Amino acid sequence: DAGVIQSPRHEVTEMGQEVTLRCKPISGHDYLFWYRQTMMRGLELLIYFNNNVPIDDSGMPEDRFSAKMPNASFSTLKIQPSEPRDSAVYFCASSSDIQETQYFGPGTRLLVL
Amino acid sequence: DQQVKQNSPSLSVQEGRISILNCDYTNSMFDYFLWYKKYPAEGPTFLISISSIKDKNEDGRFTVFLNKSAKHLSLHIVPSQPGDSAVYFCAAWRSNDYKLSFGAGTTVTVRA
Repeated sequence: DAGVIQSPRHEVTEMGQEVTLRCKPISGHDYLFWYRQTMMRGLELLIYFNNNVPIDDSGMPEDRFSAKMPNASFSTLKIQPSEPRDSAVYFCASSSDIQETQYFGPGTRLLVL
Repeated sequence: DQQVKQNSPSLSVQEGRISILNCDYTNSMFDYFLWYKKYPAEGPTFLISISSIKDKNEDGRFTVFLNKSAKHLSLHIVPSQPGDSAVYFCAAWRSNDYKLSFGAGTTVTVRA
């Protein structure tokens, strides 16, 4: 298996622009997680899905952030409008069950100027 | 409010010596703890875990110790190797919701 795939790997954008991050989970995994990594706070869970349904989005920072999972093999995390403080590395992870090991993608490094 | 804390942002250790990484947590409801390892430009990968009903779990060169009364866990790497140079994240979850809470990470550098 190719593992969790994320795109793009790097994104540089200007404040106010829309940013869309993409994730393809491992085939057969029913759970998908979006995390954000910053130097100060480490890895923070933003939202997770089970069978394409958002279960807990309490970690989403504000309404500018939204996530969708239209099918079992694809998810997006969108930031609109983006702000410099959104600059971070965003990871997607998937697992076969909620208590099973989460497998992380390589991350998307986002820089908002 | 961070419920899992790694107070040492970095650690430097000589090859062959022991690396000890520490982690503290505030939520007594956590009942499962994990360590993840992360290389640059890669996502974190699972390393080792421990249930709250145990106080020690060993896997090769890696041992995790849990002190529930102190709400403290540690990861020991013996002997340390250059390939162990990475960022190590401590994580915890509660079995009622399984949401992982991560620490900020500790960067380990193993000197040859």
